[in-house]
Amino acid sequence: ETGVTQSPTHLIKTRGQQVTLRCSSQSGHNTVSWYQQALGQGPQFIFQYYREEENGRGNFPPRFSGLQFPNYSSELNVNALELDDSALYLCASSSRRGATGELFFGEGSRLTVL
Amino acid sequence: TQLLEQSPQFLSIQEGENLTVYCNSSSVFSSLQWYRQEPGEGPVLLVTVVTGGEVKKLKRLTFQFGDARKDSSLHITAAQPGDTGLYLCAGVYNQGGKLIFGQGTELSVKP
Repeated sequence: ETGVTQSPTHLIKTRGQQVTLRCSSQSGHNTVSWYQQALGQGPQFIFQYYREEENGRGNFPPRFSGLQFPNYSSELNVNALELDDSALYLCASSSRRGATGELFFGEGSRLTVL
Repeated sequence: TQLLEQSPQFLSIQEGENLTVYCNSSSVFSSLQWYRQEPGEGPVLLVTVVTGGEVKKLKRLTFQFGDARKDSSLHITAAQPGDTGLYLCAGVYNQGGKLIFGQGTELSVKP
């Protein structure tokens, strides 16, 4: 059974640029959630996708957007990067819509915005 | 707005000591999860508590959910260096699929 994999693991961007982060969900999982974890903080919910449809969104501006593909892998896109977007971006997959099922997290993508 | 307050934020203890981490909220959650996160890794689920007053044990770790389902605690007995890590509580809020995380407790256990 393959776990959740994320790419890239580290990246550096400059302010104003755009970034795409990718996530492959665990085999058999149809739900993917994205979280942002700033240094020294707990993760904050960005949004969740269930069977290619958005199933809830946290308090993030529209420049944070996402996509889920038919194979349930997912992308997180962030436009017009700001310095405060520097964080660890975590993807989590589960076999159930919502938050009641067990979430399996990837190792994250560490984004630094200069 | 649902908020989870964790305390303490940092804890540095000697091997063999006991410790308790607290997670408090003004909101009622349907369930609460505890995660452990090591540097460079994603959080790993330790336990889910669902029923008010529920107590679950995982080896030397004891988890309790408050009667009103607004608070929880994690107690570690005889801590070991391998327990070092970031401990996160997360409230399950069913609308929209999100988990509300606390800010975490950074635990360091020195040999």
